[in-house]
Amino acid sequence: GAVVSQHPSWVICKSGTSVKIECRSLDFQATTMFWYRQFPKQSLMLMATSNEGSKATYEQGVEKDKFLINHASLTLSTLTVTSAHPEDSSFYICSARKVLGNTIYFGEGSWLTVV
Amino acid sequence: AQTVTQSQPEMSVQEAETVTLSCTYDTSESDYYLFWYKQPPSRQMILVIRQEAYKQQNATENRFSVNFQKAAKSFSLKISDSQLGDAAMYFCAYRSALLMDSSYKLIFGSGTRLLVRP
Repeated sequence: GAVVSQHPSWVICKSGTSVKIECRSLDFQATTMFWYRQFPKQSLMLMATSNEGSKATYEQGVEKDKFLINHASLTLSTLTVTSAHPEDSSFYICSARKVLGNTIYFGEGSWLTVV
Repeated sequence: AQTVTQSQPEMSVQEAETVTLSCTYDTSESDYYLFWYKQPPSRQMILVIRQEAYKQQNATENRFSVNFQKAAKSFSLKISDSQLGDAAMYFCAYRSALLMDSSYKLIFGSGTRLLVRP
């Protein structure tokens, strides 16, 4: 089956620093990737849609300058949380859609803790 | 905008019994997809079952089946012969069927925590 990998699985960073989370499709090319955020005991909230070679489309209320998304290749999208603050601590999940495919595959998620 | 509502924050079922999780949604689109995802403590999202809106027949996957009522915009999940491994968060999700990349984004409900009593 198709595999989507996120790295790192866990990251702790200091307040004010930036942290990057990678989302890779390991055995397929992904034309579109999605980034979600999940607070404890809450649902997944879509942050942005990322298309290879173009700018990401952010959902309303998501700060594009704070959550930088880059989709430089058909197998890699990155989410960079800039100037992180404790309120950015959350579980971040990516998903990917195969080129010409109709199925979405989820990564295993990344825990971010800002101290 | 589309919305997905799960009115049961938590449900409990005895092992080997049957449980039904509720989901309603709101959309003005006529063609779309509905999903049930399972999220165990590992947090990995696992697709349980999928329903195409244009299909009248309810989807079934082994012990999992849905009751899709398009007019009522209802999409419930029935789990038969519940097992301890079924304990998890269950999310109902909606996806548009429009042919554009952004349509592949999923809109999730708030989730239902399923507890399975041994």
